[in-house]
Amino acid sequence: EAGVTQSPTHLIKTRGQQATLRCSPISGHTSVYWYQQALGLGLQFLLWYDEGEERNRGNFPPRFSGRQFPNYSSELNVNALELEDSALYLCASSLIGGGNQPQHFGDGTRLSIL
Amino acid sequence: AQTVTQSQPEMSVQEAETVTLSCTYDTSESDYYLFWYKQPPSRQMILVIRQEAYKQQNATENRFSVNFQKAAKSFSLKISDSQLGDAAMYFCAYRRNFGNEKLTFGTGTRLTIIP
Repeated sequence: EAGVTQSPTHLIKTRGQQATLRCSPISGHTSVYWYQQALGLGLQFLLWYDEGEERNRGNFPPRFSGRQFPNYSSELNVNALELEDSALYLCASSLIGGGNQPQHFGDGTRLSIL
Repeated sequence: AQTVTQSQPEMSVQEAETVTLSCTYDTSESDYYLFWYKQPPSRQMILVIRQEAYKQQNATENRFSVNFQKAAKSFSLKISDSQLGDAAMYFCAYRRNFGNEKLTFGTGTRLTIIP
């Protein structure tokens, strides 16, 4: 069974540009989560999608947005990039259900802002 | 809001020895799950062990076990017979048992295994 896949592995942008990160969940998983892991910090929750709808978002500005497609894959878009957006962005997926359904993570996309 | 605190930024242990990583959390909820994730240099977050708040029995997974103290809101991870492959960042995480809620993570503990 294929795990959660993310692309690209590394993305280099300059300030003011836009970045698009992609995530494919494990087959059968309908929920996709995005987390930001900045250097020296733990993971911060960004967004949660399920069945194509945004279910919850963390304390991030509106220039962080995304969507989930009918095949449950997801995109994270970051507009007007700032230096502090440099981080590892991790995607996770899970089955629908209660809190005992574990979230399975991908390898992440390293976003570097120059 | 829920918070998770890991007070040990770094820990080290001799190979084959036992090490305990600490985690405390704060929540007003009574129904939740706690997790330990491992992040090796390869970056992928790997689930190590999970504990349901309503279960009094501490979870175990092979060499990994937890000491869950609900009243004290403490959730420590014990690694027995440490191996070189255990070297990684370890994150404690909280998730309330309501739908597919987000994970709230601590800041992590970097574990070094000394050969």
